[in-house]
This record gives sequence, C-alpha cells and structure tokens, in this order.
Amino acid sequence: DTEVTQTPKHLVMGMTNKKSLKCEQHMGHRAMYWYKQKAKKPPELMFVYSYEKLSINESVPSRFSPECPNSSLLNLHLHALQPEDSALYLCASSQDGTSGRRTDTQYFGPGTRLTVL
Amino acid sequence: GENVEQHPSTLSVQEGDSAVIKCTYSDSASNYFPWYKQELGKRPQLIIDIRSNVGEKKDQRIAVTLNKTAKHFSLHITETQPEDSAVYFCAARTHSGAGSYQLTFGKGTKLSVIP
Repeated sequence: DTEVTQTPKHLVMGMTNKKSLKCEQHMGHRAMYWYKQKAKKPPELMFVYSYEKLSINESVPSRFSPECPNSSLLNLHLHALQPEDSALYLCASSQDGTSGRRTDTQYFGPGTRLTVL
Repeated sequence: GENVEQHPSTLSVQEGDSAVIKCTYSDSASNYFPWYKQELGKRPQLIIDIRSNVGEKKDQRIAVTLNKTAKHFSLHITETQPEDSAVYFCAARTHSGAGSYQLTFGKGTKLSVIP
C-alpha cells in the first residue's frame, strides 16, 4: 500500500475560524511533510517531521501549527488564516528523511483544497 | 540553498512525437532526482527517478538522463499520448543542514499532447 490519505478534501473557513487538516499513512514511513501549493506553482515545503520530531520549519507563520501524534499521523492546525493562505495543502511521506543513502521517495496525498474567506 | 531551474514552462507536441524537459541544479551535493506528474486537481505522482551514481534510467516510454558534471538532468517521453498531458515537476534532493533531506522543485512544465 503506497497510499497517503488526507482529510478533508475541501475546506472553506473564515479568518477567525480554527480548523485542522489530517494526514495518514500506513507504509511504516518515518518522515512526513506538509507542502503548500498555489495554482500553477510547484509544491512549497512548510514542515518536515522525522521520527515524530519537527526537523524543518521553513519560516512558516505561527497561524499554521503542525503536530505529529504518532508515526502514522500528521496534523496541521489552522488559526486566524488570511485569504492569501488559500491553496492546496499536500501531505507527503517517505521511508526515512534522515538517510542520504536511501532513495527515500516521497509519496503525496491527494491534498486538501483550502479556501479562506 | 539548492536552486532548480526547469525548461520549458510550456510544451505542446503532436501525439506520437517525443517530449523533452530539462532541469539544472546548483548544489553538487544533491544526490537524488525524482520527476513528478501532476494532472489537474490531482496529487503529484512519481513517474521516474534517478540517483546520482546512475547516468540514465528507462521505464517503458519514459527515460531520465543525468549529467553530474554539468548538473543537468532531463526527462524524455517517447510516443506521447493525450493522457501524458499534465504538469511535470523535476526535483533535487538536498540535505537541509537540520538532519533531514528535502526536495527542491523546479517551476514545472505544462505538457499538452495534441491528438
């Protein structure tokens, strides 16, 4: 099973709302990633968790708060977002984000289409 | 940090013709180069990848070549079909300096295959 799942598929929220995006994988991967993708642009890395610890935060605003409750789950908590945060949010996982010797292919989930009003 | 340049940004080919997309990278320490295909509204899907100790890899109609000296890698699609129409992203994997590796993506190429 090489599948990463994400919920919800679509989310519309106001600027004062609090919501969460969820990501799950059962491939035994130990690295998980959050990306933001705007239309006609490449995925832009936000966070990396490696062995359930946050290892990369690409200077993301604090209104985005990641959480990794266990090795299979990754959440992204959203609060006080701005309209410019509207985008496709992609989760990905790979076998081991710390080993340079492995191919460490990243597999993407289907994404959550977020609209901030 | 790593910088990946991808060309062309758009490419139109007739069905049955070949398509070539080229990428260059800046960090000589990059050691893994995947290519992703993203259809409209869908997730990026890995179509082929190559490690830095290999010069060429082929999978049916798709091939990737790597020139480490020139820091250049290319995607070749032969006998193109309408279902090959999508946005293609190249990427290079580099060490983040924080104990993890990350992918740096090119800006993408929108491939249109005309029946």
